[in-house]
This record gives sequence, C-alpha cells and structure tokens, in this order.
Amino acid sequence: AQSVTQLDSQVPVFEEAPVELRCNYSSSVSVYLFWYVQYPNQGLQLLLKYLSGSTLVKGINGFEAEFNKSQTSFHLRKPSVHISDTAEYFCAVSRDSGGSNYKLTFGKGTLLTVNP
Amino acid sequence: SQTIHQWPATLVQPVGSPLSLECTVEGTSNPNLYWYRQAAGRGLQLLFYSVGIGQISSEVPQNLSASRPQDRQFILSSKKLLLSDSGFYLCAWSAGTGGGIQYFGAGTRLSVL
Repeated sequence: AQSVTQLDSQVPVFEEAPVELRCNYSSSVSVYLFWYVQYPNQGLQLLLKYLSGSTLVKGINGFEAEFNKSQTSFHLRKPSVHISDTAEYFCAVSRDSGGSNYKLTFGKGTLLTVNP
Repeated sequence: SQTIHQWPATLVQPVGSPLSLECTVEGTSNPNLYWYRQAAGRGLQLLFYSVGIGQISSEVPQNLSASRPQDRQFILSSKKLLLSDSGFYLCAWSAGTGGGIQYFGAGTRLSVL
C-alpha cells in the first residue's frame, strides 16, 4: 500500500514571496502523483499531475512540482504567491497497477495562508 | 465536456433523521465514482467507491451506505444520522485512466444537530 506525508500542516507566507509545499510518498511500485487545491467550502481542483516523462511538471496558476524518485518526493512550488492562492493543498498518489486505477491516497493537506 | 453535480450544497439535519445525498456525472460513460468525507483537520477519508452499476465497495465501517442505481448516479444514504456524521461530503469521478485522476463535485456541508 502507498502512503503520502505532507510535512507541513500550515504554511504562512507574505504576498509575492516564494513558497514550497512539501510532499513525500512511499510505495513499493511505480506511482502517479497529483496536487489538488481546495478553496474554502469548495471541492478539490486538480493543480497538476505527474504521470511520466519530464520530472518538472507545470500546472495552473503558476504552480510547478518536481518528481524526485530517489527522495520519493513531489514538492509543490510557486515563485511568487498572491492573496488568492490562500487555500488548502493536497498531495495524492495512485499506484501504477497496469490497469484501471481506482483509488487515490491523499495526504492530510497543507493550509497555505498568504498575508499582505 | 464532463461535469459533476452534487446536491444539496448545505444540509442541517437532526440526529436520528435519514440522509440522502446525490451525485450525477454528465458527459462520460461508465465512470468510477467515489464518496469522500472531510472532517476539519483530518484530510479526505474515502467512504465508498463504485466501478459499475450496483457495484459498491466500502472502505470503512460506518453508519452510511451508498448505491449506484444508474451508470452516472451515485447516492450516499443513512437511515439514522449520528452527530459524528457531520462533515463535508465530496463526490468524485474518474475515467480510470490518466493515472486515476479524479474530478470532484462542489461538496455538501452536512451538520447534524
């Protein structure tokens, strides 16, 4: 079974500062990796995904993440955050089962708060 | 394009009352469907998933049940709500491809009083 650890439950930053939200996973097989964002009282929206290929993945809203297989990490970064980036961010992993993928394993989330 | 509808958006129910939350998906066929619960500070908990009509898998024992009466309809139910059933309920769908990407509905905030 796989697991996901988001190392920080809360990350406060000032507007226009860079930010990194950390995610580590464990799995005995190949995985696919995702970051989702959740604004207050809304559902989750896919930010970006790593399925294969380049380990640097770019997503919406200026976010990017880098897959590091040796360190089993998939950290999310943005060079300059805005007030509107305030939200909860979830890292998720699914297993490469060679067939239809049924389940994602989610981390517990990181609350990013951007202050003026 | 595909869309997912979930209703109601908010619900306040007394303890011991029944529950029915509905989720429908448009623009795709034979999706995998999921119900999650999100309690404050506890991340997402997968409650049920379904890979086809009438096929329901339960992840955790609880006071809830799920049904899939039609290909793109997923219903979460309870006969008698408990205080502990309060939370934010999310429905999601997946095509089962693309690494298992899931797409989420807007959620239902359930308060059991």
